[in-house]
Amino acid sequence: SQQGEEDPQALSIQEGENATMNCSYKTSINNLQWYRQNSGRGLVHLILIRSNEREKHSGRLRVTLDTSKKSSSLLITASRAADTASYFCATGENDYKLSFGAGTTVTVRA
Amino acid sequence: GAGVSQTPSNKVTEKGKYVELRCDPISGHTALYWYRQSLGQGPEFLIYFQGTGAADDSGLPNDRFFAVRPEGSVSTLKIQRTERGDSAVYLCASSLAAGGGGDGYTFGSGTRLTVV
Repeated sequence: SQQGEEDPQALSIQEGENATMNCSYKTSINNLQWYRQNSGRGLVHLILIRSNEREKHSGRLRVTLDTSKKSSSLLITASRAADTASYFCATGENDYKLSFGAGTTVTVRA
Repeated sequence: GAGVSQTPSNKVTEKGKYVELRCDPISGHTALYWYRQSLGQGPEFLIYFQGTGAADDSGLPNDRFFAVRPEGSVSTLKIQRTERGDSAVYLCASSLAAGGGGDGYTFGSGTRLTVV
């Protein structure tokens, strides 16, 4: 079963706009990670936020975590066509096992 | 190697046949994971290796699935008596230590298995 759920399922934006997607989960976590997947193949790790952190930045990415609401958000600023992909949140219940959501498909229009 | 390598990239097999999927992790990565991704879904955990041993195989769906990592490097996922429901992309990932630390996991490009 999948613990995380991303919202929305799909998102279409104009190049240069910001994209925001959310992830909700059910049980206590050790950390939460975001991954990107192009064309249904390998996943690329974007960012990891630990349960004792509230916000993290990496380049154009900003991740927030609210453990009281069991939710996280991923913001991509100034989107580019190359950002078109599926984005997954994954919760780590322990040191090695990730539970992925079904993903948000982002389309960036030129 | 520079990344996680999975072979073959695509495999079509007949129902009832046996298949082996191979994963070459990043050199020096002691932790290795197998996940399975069905169409429109996120990856689901199958098994985790720490070194040569399977530390957690709780995600393997049934006893037709088995995985080995005899020398603590290359891993092989073996599926016996394949069924159409086994069709999916099988993803392998590795990390320097369990959990990946701040760098997460490095995934391979996956093997797309189609059982006809």
